[in-house]
Amino acid sequence: AQSVTQPDIHITVSEGASLELRCNYSYGATPYLFWYVQSPGQGLQLLLKYFSGDTLVQGIKGFEAEFKRSQSSFNLRKPSVHWSDAAEYFCAVGAGSGGSNYKLTFGKGTLLTVNP
Amino acid sequence: NAGVTQTPKFQVLKTGQSMTLQCAQDMNHEYMSWYRQDPGMGLRLIHYSVGAGITDQGEVPNGYNVSRSTTEDFPLRLLSAAPSQTSVYFCASSSGQGSSGANVLTFGAGSRLTVL
Repeated sequence: AQSVTQPDIHITVSEGASLELRCNYSYGATPYLFWYVQSPGQGLQLLLKYFSGDTLVQGIKGFEAEFKRSQSSFNLRKPSVHWSDAAEYFCAVGAGSGGSNYKLTFGKGTLLTVNP
Repeated sequence: NAGVTQTPKFQVLKTGQSMTLQCAQDMNHEYMSWYRQDPGMGLRLIHYSVGAGITDQGEVPNGYNVSRSTTEDFPLRLLSAAPSQTSVYFCASSSGQGSSGANVLTFGAGSRLTVL
């Protein structure tokens, strides 16, 4: 069964500082990987996704993530954090194909606080 | 387009009462799903559907029923509510078609349910 681990429950950074949120996954084949963001009281918005090809993927709001197969990781990065980035971030993994292609498994989330 | 619409946004129930959370999408997506979100647990899949007339269980299906009579609608039924079902519920849909669209979920805004 697929699984996702987000080791950091809560991260605090200063505005303008760089950010890296960690995500490790477990899946037997090539995974589909996602990062979603949830602002307080809101639904989830897709930041970026990895299906294949270039292992460094760019997303919205200046975020990027790098797929490292050897480390089973898909860490999210941003070079300079803005106060509006304060939110909860979820990493998710899905099967690459077949009947279970539609079922995403989410990590437990990382809450990001941004200090002025 | 409205995207994924969930109703109601808030609901308070007493133990043993029944209710239905409504979910509708206007994107002609084949795949629809229900997740629940609990603090520190991330999102967990309750039930999902890969098309009209086809439903299946996710990770935490007990206490919930679903049906999919049309492509647009995917209601979630609680037959006898329990305090353990206090949660925020999210409906999501996906076209599930092709590598560019597969598994990219569009989420509703959520329904917050409290069972007393």
